Amino acid sequence: QKEVEQNSGPLSVPEGAIASLNCTYSDRVSQSFFWYRQYSGKSPELIMSIYSNGDKEDGRFTAQLNKASQYVSLLIRDSQPSDSATYLCAVTNSGGSNYKLTFGKGTLLTVNP
Amino acid sequence: EAGVAQSPRYKIIEKRQSVAFWCNPISGHATLYWYQQILGQGPKLLIQFQNNGVVDDSQLPKDRFSAERLKGVDSTLKIQPAKLEDSAVYLCASSLEGFGYTFGSGTRLTVV
Repeated sequence: QKEVEQNSGPLSVPEGAIASLNCTYSDRVSQSFFWYRQYSGKSPELIMSIYSNGDKEDGRFTAQLNKASQYVSLLIRDSQPSDSATYLCAVTNSGGSNYKLTFGKGTLLTVNP
Repeated sequence: EAGVAQSPRYKIIEKRQSVAFWCNPISGHATLYWYQQILGQGPKLLIQFQNNGVVDDSQLPKDRFSAERLKGVDSTLKIQPAKLEDSAVYLCASSLEGFGYTFGSGTRLTVV
């Protein structure tokens, strides 16, 4: 059974702080990794994708991947109250398009003004 | 670009009744997915279509769930008969060559 594990939280950080979200996965052949943000009552929205070891930065978001440790993380710098949401980690063992995603349960992030 | 359209947004039915959900993917997206998201959990893939063919339905409870994608465009997911544990949000997504899905707004099903 391929699994994706996340701390369910809630993770609470003050406005302006760095929020660190973590995810581990069990399938060693996983190739592609994604972070989705899901506001309450809304559908998931893709915010980051990462495919190779190391860091990938996009604005205030940085995704980090360590395939040897089967670990992927998301850092949110200068956290804003609007970042309050559930963050879902998803992985796939396909390197191409049209792939099946396995999701974690998500981490609830609350950013306090 | 129009997004993934789903209907209805909400549905309440009694157990043992049947229900159907509809999805229209983004124009030109060959791959369509149905996911089930139970409260407090991540989405779980039910079925994946490539055009009008099934790629993966390994987690679809086939004794009560069925799905079709006629003409390789829109899709219908049906549950018959519904059980209490089917209460969830049913998310449709589509993808094109590239990365990441686009999810629809989902259908929230409550079985009472």
